[in-house]
Amino acid sequence: EDKVVQSPLSLVVHEGDTVTLNCSYEVTNFRSLLWYKQEKKAPTFLFMLTSSGIEKKSGRLSSILDKKELFSILNITATQTGDSAIYLCAVVHTGNQFYFGTGTSLTVIP
Amino acid sequence: KAGVTQTPRYLIKTRGQQVTLSCSPISGHRSVSWYQQTPGQGLQFLFEYFSETQRNKGNFPGRFSGRQFSNSRSEMNVSTLELGDSALYLCASRFERGSGQGRSSYTFGSGTRLTVV
Repeated sequence: EDKVVQSPLSLVVHEGDTVTLNCSYEVTNFRSLLWYKQEKKAPTFLFMLTSSGIEKKSGRLSSILDKKELFSILNITATQTGDSAIYLCAVVHTGNQFYFGTGTSLTVIP
Repeated sequence: KAGVTQTPRYLIKTRGQQVTLSCSPISGHRSVSWYQQTPGQGLQFLFEYFSETQRNKGNFPGRFSGRQFSNSRSEMNVSTLELGDSALYLCASRFERGSGQGRSSYTFGSGTRLTVV
């Protein structure tokens, strides 16, 4: 059964800390892995990863994929209160179906 | 460019009733997917439509159905509502040329919060 597991389920850190969110997957016919940030309702797109070992970076956020070990990490450095959100990982099957993890809830305390 | 629009934003229904949720994708997007999000289960895939055809379906009972119109707008219907159907229902759309070519990532709407009492 295809599945995506995110850890930790929730995380509370202080401003300025660095966090690492994990996403492991068991999906046959893998196509790509996506990270989304969900603050209120609508998840917003962060990264799409298709190749192993190539880091995607956007400001303080970065992500990398390991297709051999079947996982991805999302790093956030120098966290700010605005980073508080649920971070969702989704793996896309070649049949175009998305499999989402349950998300990691991040709370950044001032 | 308008985003993905979902209506209504909030809905309260009683058990046994049925409900129809609407999703208007970004202009030019022909692929529309629906998801159910609950605290315990996270985001679960319901179905995906492309050019008025259901292309993929998740593991939900037949009470959950959907359709897509020629203008790419999509509706989702849930019949005989149960308490466990209370959730945030998210719709997402993306650009796709067809035959799996030229896909963008999904853009999500703000969702419809359904409460079944």
